Amino acid sequence: GDSVTQMEGPVTLSEEAFLTINCTYTATGYPSLFWYVQYPGEGLQLLLKATKADDKGSNKGFEATYRKETTSFHLEKGSVQVSDSAVYFCALRNAGNMLTFGGGTRLMVKP
Amino acid sequence: DGGITQSPKYLFRKEGQNVTLSCEQNLNHDAMYWYRQDPGQGLRLIYYSQIVNDFQKGDIAEGYSVSREKKESFPLTVTSAQKNPTAFYLCASSISAGVNQPQHFGDGTRLSIL
Repeated sequence: GDSVTQMEGPVTLSEEAFLTINCTYTATGYPSLFWYVQYPGEGLQLLLKATKADDKGSNKGFEATYRKETTSFHLEKGSVQVSDSAVYFCALRNAGNMLTFGGGTRLMVKP
Repeated sequence: DGGITQSPKYLFRKEGQNVTLSCEQNLNHDAMYWYRQDPGQGLRLIYYSQIVNDFQKGDIAEGYSVSREKKESFPLTVTSAQKNPTAFYLCASSISAGVNQPQHFGDGTRLSIL
């Protein structure tokens, strides 16, 4: 079946550092890929998405490119802020299926 | 504003008691979902509904029940058969169950056992 693997956290960075959170997936066909963010005590918010190979999703300074050849969808941001501290989930959605989530990666940004 | 409302935010259950978590959306979405999140873990699908009066079991449906009598409402009942109900429960909806459609989430209900 489909699966999503994320790097284990927590990831601890200083403010203005470069962020990469790795995400790889296993799926048949042509899934859509998503990044969600969860702030403490809240639900998930859609951060960005990509629906086909080589698409780049972007939002709030975050970017991720759908790489079919490496089955990856790594999340990047050039300069993180304290307010970016949260848990980030990579997910995929395949035809006829629901969302499949990775285990989440906690990001902690220190001033 | 359109969105998904889950209530209550915190809920306590006694042993052997059924409890119902509310989820309402005014986004006019056809599909709705319930997930369970345990500490430090990802989300697991409990039930989903692609249309009114229809719903399907997810990966961990045992000990849970749902109904979908109205498009905007998808309540989840945690029954006494669910032996480890303490978790954070998230409701979501999407325009349809299509591949490209993202899911929009409520703020969750945290259920604890007394």
